[in-house]
Amino acid sequence: QQKVQQSPESLTVSEGAMASLNCTFSDGTSNNFRWYRQHSAKGLEVLVSIFSDGEKEEGRFTAHLNRANLHVSLHIREPQPSDSAVYLCAVSNYNQGKLIFGQGTKLSIKP
Amino acid sequence: EAAVTQSPRNKVAVTGGKVTLSCNQTNNHNNMYWYRQDTGHGLRLIHYSYGAGSTEKGDIPDGYKASRPSQENFSLILELATPSQTSVYFCASGGSNTEVFFGKGTRLTVV
Repeated sequence: QQKVQQSPESLTVSEGAMASLNCTFSDGTSNNFRWYRQHSAKGLEVLVSIFSDGEKEEGRFTAHLNRANLHVSLHIREPQPSDSAVYLCAVSNYNQGKLIFGQGTKLSIKP
Repeated sequence: EAAVTQSPRNKVAVTGGKVTLSCNQTNNHNNMYWYRQDTGHGLRLIHYSYGAGSTEKGDIPDGYKASRPSQENFSLILELATPSQTSVYFCASGGSNTEVFFGKGTRLTVV
């Protein structure tokens, strides 16, 4: 059964500094990876989707995927206070369709 | 634009009563999902579906049934609601290699 773990649980970063979030998964056949942002238990906003090893950039958000190491990360360039939210990693397998989430990282950006 | 609509947005139910949460998508996506979100647990998968007529158990299916009568609609049914099912429920739709879009959530309180 797929296990998705995120670290750290919470992170505080100064405005303008790089924020880095981590996600590990247990199923090496996974091939769909997504990062979502959620403000205060509201809806989920997809930030970046990545389907092959390497890097994918969407504006200030960059995902790095290394499937051999069972690891995907999210880097936020020049974070702003409005980026303060819970960030969720989601992993799935093309053939299975199940989308499994990590428990989230609470990110706080200090002005 | 992709749309996933959940109803109701808020619901108070009595213990032992039947609750039906509805979800409609206009994205023509094959896959649909029901999650619940509780503090400290992230989003946990209850049921999902590959298409009309199909339902699959997720990671926490006990106490829940699902129904997918059409491509557009996916319902979550609590036959005998319990206070432990008080939570925020999210519906989502997606294709195998496409984005997964979420509804705005339903806040269910069982008293």
